[in-house]
Amino acid sequence: EDQVTQSPEALRLQEGESSSLNCSYTVSGLRGLFWYRQDPGKGPEFLFTLYSAGEEKEKERLKATLTKKESFLHITAPKPEDSATYLCAVQGIGTASKLTFGTGTRLQVML
Amino acid sequence: DTGVSQDPRHKITKRGQNVTFRCDPISEHNRLYWYRQTLGQGPEFLTYFQNEAQLEKSRLLSDRFSAERPKGSFSTLEIQRTEQGDSAMYLCASSPDTLLDSPLHFGNGTRLTVT
Repeated sequence: EDQVTQSPEALRLQEGESSSLNCSYTVSGLRGLFWYRQDPGKGPEFLFTLYSAGEEKEKERLKATLTKKESFLHITAPKPEDSATYLCAVQGIGTASKLTFGTGTRLQVML
Repeated sequence: DTGVSQDPRHKITKRGQNVTFRCDPISEHNRLYWYRQTLGQGPEFLTYFQNEAQLEKSRLLSDRFSAERPKGSFSTLEIQRTEQGDSAMYLCASSPDTLLDSPLHFGNGTRLTVT
């Protein structure tokens, strides 16, 4: 059974203070690893898909990287508007797009 | 792009009552998913449709839950004889079937409270 563990559960940063979120996973054949952002009371919003170890994707202040066992979401010089819960999910081969999510990291960026 | 639409946004019901939620996916998306999310947890997969065919159901989906997508467009999720443990956010998502790993586009969910 696919499993995803995210750490830390919560993270508080000062504006401009860079950091990384971790996503460890076990899956029987990875088709894709997904990062989503979720604001309170809203559905998850797609950020990135990573497919193979060594791959990196960037969007504004966010960069996602992937190894064979984990993924990192690096946040460079965050702003208060980056405050949200960041969810990691994996899709295994043969699961027809079904995603297994972690419990997320709640990020708060202070002024 | 109008996005995935869910109705209602909030539903409060008494234990034992039946409830039905509706999801309108992005129009060109053939795949539709239902997930459930409780406070502090990630979304959990419930069921998946390819057009009108329900292709997969989670073990989480008890006999009290039923989902339909009659014409391959909108979908409904019905919960019969609701229990307090059913209280959660019910999320609908859709994706195109052009790629198996197409990202899911989520709606803003229906929050169910069972009193």
